[in-house]
Amino acid sequence: DAGVTQSPTHLIKTRGQQVTLRCSPKSGHDTVSWYQQALGQGPQFIFQYYEEEERQRGNFPDRFSGHQFPNYSSELNVNALLLGDSALYLCASSLKGANSPLHFGNGTRLTVT
Amino acid sequence: QKEVEQDPGPLSVPEGAIVSLNCTYSNSAFQYFMWYRQYSRKGPELLMYTYSSGNKEDGRFTAQVDKSSKYISLFIRDSQPSDSATYLCAMSLGGADGLTFGKGTHLIIQP
Repeated sequence: DAGVTQSPTHLIKTRGQQVTLRCSPKSGHDTVSWYQQALGQGPQFIFQYYEEEERQRGNFPDRFSGHQFPNYSSELNVNALLLGDSALYLCASSLKGANSPLHFGNGTRLTVT
Repeated sequence: QKEVEQDPGPLSVPEGAIVSLNCTYSNSAFQYFMWYRQYSRKGPELLMYTYSSGNKEDGRFTAQVDKSSKYISLFIRDSQPSDSATYLCAMSLGGADGLTFGKGTHLIIQP
């Protein structure tokens, strides 16, 4: 039973560029959430997707956008990268409507230079 | 004042000791409480998941939630060196609400 998988594992980008991160949810899960974890901090909620729509959003600017596909996989896009966007980006999946706990992937480490 | 306060540590204890980790929070509307363990260069791994107040036990782990005091705890019995990791508390309102995490406590179990 595959857990949450994310790609790529590491990424280096230059300030001002755009980046796309990918996530496949745990088998049987239909809801995907994205979190940003800065070094030494707890994860911060970016947004949640269900039925290909953004259901809830945290305190992140519009430079952060996402998409969910019919197979429940998801992408996180970040435009106009800033140095402060350097972080571990975590994808988590769950079942909607059951207040089910989140299961996290191992993340994508993004470095912006 | 942050919504969730957690002492970052590090907390160093000898093998076999009982470990106590805790978080305080300010939003009385939180209903769901979780503890995650995160090893270096890995994603958070769910340890305990509780709803509202009370205790929950799973093997060597016990989670306690005191909503009247806005205080949650995780106890680890018979601690092992493999328990060395960062422990994150998290909580949510339920529904589509995202999790609000503490900063995490770095735990070191000395052999």
